[in-house]
Amino acid sequence: GEDVEQSLFLSVREGDSSVINCTYTDSSSTYLYWYKQEPGAGLQLLTYIFSNMDMKQDQRLTVLLNKKDKHLSLRIADTQTGDSAIYFCAERENDMRFGAGTRLTVKP
Amino acid sequence: ETGVTQTPRHLVMGMTNKKSLKCEQHLGHNAMYWYKQSAKKPLELMFVYSLEERVENNSVPSRFSPECPNSSHLFLHLHTLQPEDSALYLCASSHSLQGAGWGYTFGSGTRLTVV
Repeated sequence: GEDVEQSLFLSVREGDSSVINCTYTDSSSTYLYWYKQEPGAGLQLLTYIFSNMDMKQDQRLTVLLNKKDKHLSLRIADTQTGDSAIYFCAERENDMRFGAGTRLTVKP
Repeated sequence: ETGVTQTPRHLVMGMTNKKSLKCEQHLGHNAMYWYKQSAKKPLELMFVYSLEERVENNSVPSRFSPECPNSSHLFLHLHTLQPEDSALYLCASSHSLQGAGWGYTFGSGTRLTVV
């Protein structure tokens, strides 16, 4: 089947930038998403990018898409302790396919 | 609140019990989903409903029984569960089953513990 892969852990210091990477295999994916899951909560849609774009910026979040390499990244500028969570990459042509999630830990 | 409400938030049940999880959305979405999230495992899609019809059942054991009485409500009936069924059960909805431009809206989940 088609896979969405992410590294499982990332640790950064407060104030630094975080970059969470994701690779996917389905070249027909039309939209790619980033979701955030805080402890004890469901998944919250953070941002998404259409496959004909290569960058999208939304306040502290920057999404970069390299469609040729099927690589998606989420950059969080000025990372705060409140950004500590699990971040899921997902792709959708019809069904939504999720990665396993990257646990971001922000150290003071 | 995301617009998708799940109850209860926490549930502890014995292996011989019967219980139900409830999901409700008033977003006007036509597709609803049940996911299972276990520790250290990817999200597992369990069931998909579109316009109240089940369109996908991902080899889920029969001790899990979904019900979608209308487009706003989705239930997951549980009976004779096993301890390995302990997990966070997430409900999600989307505008339509197909159409990649629509993301999923998730509920906060029900944390299920089977003892």
